[in-house]
Amino acid sequence: SQTIHQWPATLVQPVGSPLSLECTVEGTSNPNLYWYRQAAGRGLQLLFYSVGIGQISSEVPQNLSASRPQDRQFILSSKKLLLSDSGFYLCASFASEAFFGQGTRLTVV
Amino acid sequence: SQKIEQNSEALNIQEGKTATLTCNYTNYSPAYLQWYRQDPGRGPVFLLLIRENEKEKRKERLKVTFDTTLKQSLFHITASQPADSATYLCALKGGGNKLTFGTGTQLKVEL
Repeated sequence: SQTIHQWPATLVQPVGSPLSLECTVEGTSNPNLYWYRQAAGRGLQLLFYSVGIGQISSEVPQNLSASRPQDRQFILSSKKLLLSDSGFYLCASFASEAFFGQGTRLTVV
Repeated sequence: SQKIEQNSEALNIQEGKTATLTCNYTNYSPAYLQWYRQDPGRGPVFLLLIRENEKEKRKERLKVTFDTTLKQSLFHITASQPADSATYLCALKGGGNKLTFGTGTQLKVEL
């Protein structure tokens, strides 16, 4: 089965600082990859998804961007973090079922 | 617009009883629907997939039904245990491989 590596597990960043979260996938090739954000006690908000290298679909206009430089690598970035960017970020790979990484809890202070 | 709705109120039930969770959707024509379990601070874990031509699917103490006319899926946990306490999410794949989750329903199984 697939394994999703996502790091770091927790991150505290000041407002205005840049962000780079990386997700890598093992056990499959050409996966559909997803970034979700989850606020405390809330559902999963789809941020970006990608069906292939260099192909990014953005779901919510916001302060974030995503890139897919390699088949099994998906990166979430921001040039300047806002307080509202705080949340639990999850990377997922999907074929017939979704596999999730461990998540990154980001706190912007 | 496409929507996936789950009861946002937490469901509290007694150990041994059957828990039933609901997932309703609009403006989807899904080939299948999925259910996931999420524990606090963790990513969701896949539980079951049910296809549009399947009315019911079972896995151990779990049962899922899928009514494409009502646009609804029901998720049942029989003989519930405290270890079943978690948030349960349904998910649908829309056009372009967009995978969207419902808001989830928190289940608490009490002794």
